[in-house]
Amino acid sequence: GEDVEQSLFLSVREGDSSVINCTYTDSSSTYLYWYKQEPGAGLQLLTYIFSNMDMKQDQRLTVLLNKKDKHLSLRIADTQTGDSAIYFCAGPRGGYQKVTFGTGTKLQVIP
Amino acid sequence: GAGVSQSPSNKVTEKGKDVELRCDPISGHTALYWYRQSLGQGLEFLIYFQGNSAPDKSGLPSDRFSAERTGGSVSTLTIQRTQQEDSAVYLCASTTGSGNYGYTFGSGTRLTVV
Repeated sequence: GEDVEQSLFLSVREGDSSVINCTYTDSSSTYLYWYKQEPGAGLQLLTYIFSNMDMKQDQRLTVLLNKKDKHLSLRIADTQTGDSAIYFCAGPRGGYQKVTFGTGTKLQVIP
Repeated sequence: GAGVSQSPSNKVTEKGKDVELRCDPISGHTALYWYRQSLGQGLEFLIYFQGNSAPDKSGLPSDRFSAERTGGSVSTLTIQRTQQEDSAVYLCASTTGSGNYGYTFGSGTRLTVV
């Protein structure tokens, strides 16, 4: 099975909060990441969290990590139409030299 | 350079032809990665370079795929005798040695095999 799993699609209304969830299998103590991919572009690093942290906040973004359940989430407050994109969770696999990406969650923001 | 540069941005090739995809990483980034993104799929790891050597090439799908990196900088991914299933976006990323703070990706090369 997949090492990193995400739901495929999320639709929210502009101004609401979005929560994108991810589960992973590798319990290596290392970093976990969220990337954003806009159409026709590569992936852009949004934020990352080290595995000894439970939460990290960066402006409208909040990352929550539950190590026990191997669950990572990304909350986007006050979601805007410009947040429409595919969001990838990424976690460790075989050490930090190689990262495994989830299948991506397509976020659709409805005006 | 300021970012990771990939060329060409789009490539259409006939089945059976060879193609070369180029990645120019951020100057000073010692680690370089190739990933493949198929329509509606996540990112599939292909190969990892540290300097000019490739400690992990476990993701290359077949012996038709090869990659090299020269001068610790530019990398070329070569696909020989292309097949239709090779159609995908090929993404390159680079990072500093540890990679702890994430990768910087290029915009990718969209390969279409007809």
